[in-house]
Amino acid sequence: KAGVTQTPRYLIKTRGQQVTLSCSPISGHRSVSWYQQTPGQGLQFLFEYFSETQRNKGNFPGRFSGRQFSNSRSEMNVSTLELGDSALYLCASSLAQLAGGTYEQYFGPGTRLTVT
Amino acid sequence: GDSVTQMEGPVTLSEEAFLTINCTYTATGYPSLFWYVQYPGEGLQLLLKATKADDKGSNKGFEATYRKETTSFHLEKGSVQVSDSAVYFCIHGGSQGNLIFGKGTKLSVKP
Repeated sequence: KAGVTQTPRYLIKTRGQQVTLSCSPISGHRSVSWYQQTPGQGLQFLFEYFSETQRNKGNFPGRFSGRQFSNSRSEMNVSTLELGDSALYLCASSLAQLAGGTYEQYFGPGTRLTVT
Repeated sequence: GDSVTQMEGPVTLSEEAFLTINCTYTATGYPSLFWYVQYPGEGLQLLLKATKADDKGSNKGFEATYRKETTSFHLEKGSVQVSDSAVYFCIHGGSQGNLIFGKGTKLSVKP
């Protein structure tokens, strides 16, 4: 079974631009979560989608948004990029989303975004 | 609020040494607990998990036991290898359904 794929793997943008990242989950997985990883803040939860609905959201500004399509593929968008948005963005998929539950998340390799 | 505290690295060991990475958590209820590993240039991979108190997760020689009384989930391995060099994350399933991450512990194993 193919794993979680993310495109592109690397991206360089300038301040003020916007960017869209894509994530294809493992076949059959309906939950997709996004995370930001930086050396200073570590891994932080952005949001989670299940069956095309955003069910959970982390503490990030409204410049960060996402969506999920009927085939469970997900995109996240960052508008008006800032230097501090430079990070590794990780996508993870799971079969189901249960609060405090026993689900496992499977991570993609990430998209490395550099904002100059 | 929900949180995870794991020992800071980096941790440097010689091959065949014993490894312990401490992890404690605060949570509402009794969440599932996980250890994930991240190799250089890659995403996170599930190493092991435990879903209830006293469960022991194990994989590839690594073990961790869910200790409710001490709210801990320490990772151990009896004999590390150079190939174990990576960053290890202690994680619990947060009350909102998202994962709560520790800051990660970088392990370097020297031959």
